Amino acid sequence: DVKVTQSSRYLVKRTGEKVFLECVQDMDHENMFWYRQDPGLGLRLIYFSYDVKMKEKGDIPEGYSVSREKKERFSLILESASTNQTSMYLCASLDRRQSYEQYFGPGTRLTVT
Amino acid sequence: GQNIDQPTEMTATEGAIVQINCTYQTSGFNGLFWYQQHAGEAPTFLSYNVLDGLEEKGRFSSFLSRSKGYSYLLLKELQMKDSASYLCAGPSEKGNTPLVFGKGTRLSVIA
Repeated sequence: DVKVTQSSRYLVKRTGEKVFLECVQDMDHENMFWYRQDPGLGLRLIYFSYDVKMKEKGDIPEGYSVSREKKERFSLILESASTNQTSMYLCASLDRRQSYEQYFGPGTRLTVT
Repeated sequence: GQNIDQPTEMTATEGAIVQINCTYQTSGFNGLFWYQQHAGEAPTFLSYNVLDGLEEKGRFSSFLSRSKGYSYLLLKELQMKDSASYLCAGPSEKGNTPLVFGKGTRLSVIA
């Protein structure tokens, strides 16, 4: 069974803080993704990665950066958190060699005050 | 870029059948996905259609018409636990990685 884990289910941070959201998958997947999900806006892609040290911008990368130093770990960084980054953050992974099914982590609900 | 359209909300009765529609842009098409997401939980994979026609998986079926840019998810013998959001997803200009998700259809199953 593929398992995607995220470091926190709930997180509260202050405006201006640097925030790290961690995602780990245990199935040797090459592709990993970070989304945010907001009511009425659906899932929006922030960044994704095809492999270690590779990253590509998604639809809404502004205010975010990512790091993929190891294959199993994909980190999302909010350099200076703002209130409009309050959201549910979902990580996902897939292995294109097997199927295009994306496996999602449980999500991190981030509140920036 | 890809644009995925699906209804925002639907309501159906326990035991009934419901059809959730999805339309997408057809150029560069690689396949269409359906995911289920219960409130407060992560999306889980339901189906992937790459050929025209109906694919059945128990109470859930998914249909695709590539020429019309149209798909639907059919849920039979509805149960209360089917109350969830259903997300349609299609390829971006880069193919199936990454996907473009629709905003989701929130289905409420009532007694």
